[in-house]
Amino acid sequence: GAVVSQHPSWVICKSGTSVKIECRSLDFQATTMFWYRQFPKQSLMLMATSNEGSKATYEQGVEKDKFLINHASLTLSTLTVTSAHPEDSSFYICSARDRTVNLYEQYFGPGTRLTVT
Amino acid sequence: GENVEQHPSTLSVQEGDSAVIKCTYSDSASNYFPWYKQELGKRPQLIIDIRSNVGEKKDQRIAVTLNKTAKHFSLHITETQPEDSAVYFCAASPGGANNLFFGTGTRLTVIP
Repeated sequence: GAVVSQHPSWVICKSGTSVKIECRSLDFQATTMFWYRQFPKQSLMLMATSNEGSKATYEQGVEKDKFLINHASLTLSTLTVTSAHPEDSSFYICSARDRTVNLYEQYFGPGTRLTVT
Repeated sequence: GENVEQHPSTLSVQEGDSAVIKCTYSDSASNYFPWYKQELGKRPQLIIDIRSNVGEKKDQRIAVTLNKTAKHFSLHITETQPEDSAVYFCAASPGGANNLFFGTGTRLTVIP
């Protein structure tokens, strides 16, 4: 149980275009989802927290107009990188939590590698 | 916000020896401390976690200790095996939204 998927697993896009990444909880209802980015050989940096049906809470320094997060259902959250630039190239990982089962534990997706050319 | 520091950044041990990774946190309100193992290009996998009402937790070869007063917690791996080689991240979660703030990671290499 507690499986989280992400799509796509990797994507290459041109500078100035937008790309959408999906995060799905496959066998549980994710009341909260988190988005992280990870640069090579570095740690996971929390970008934002989203609760189903409400606006995402962004961490300091993360541009909410550039990284659009939508958590429209209990099994799906999307991250859209708008007007992507090469410096946005990174590994984006989502995680999900079901507060009704465990207040703390987060289940991670496999990640999406974004390359902006 | 929470600030988590992790040491060492790299660690090499001989197979069968023990490995210890240490983390400190800044927010006294943090009450949940998980440890994750991440292999190259893969998702982080939870290996053990501890809550602030417990000082120590053990699961086979893996143990975690927590010192709330000093605000530090440690991961102990005994009888290390080559398949333990990976990057290990500690994390701390302040109360409320229960976000996770990660340490900088430790690359563990177990030498056969």
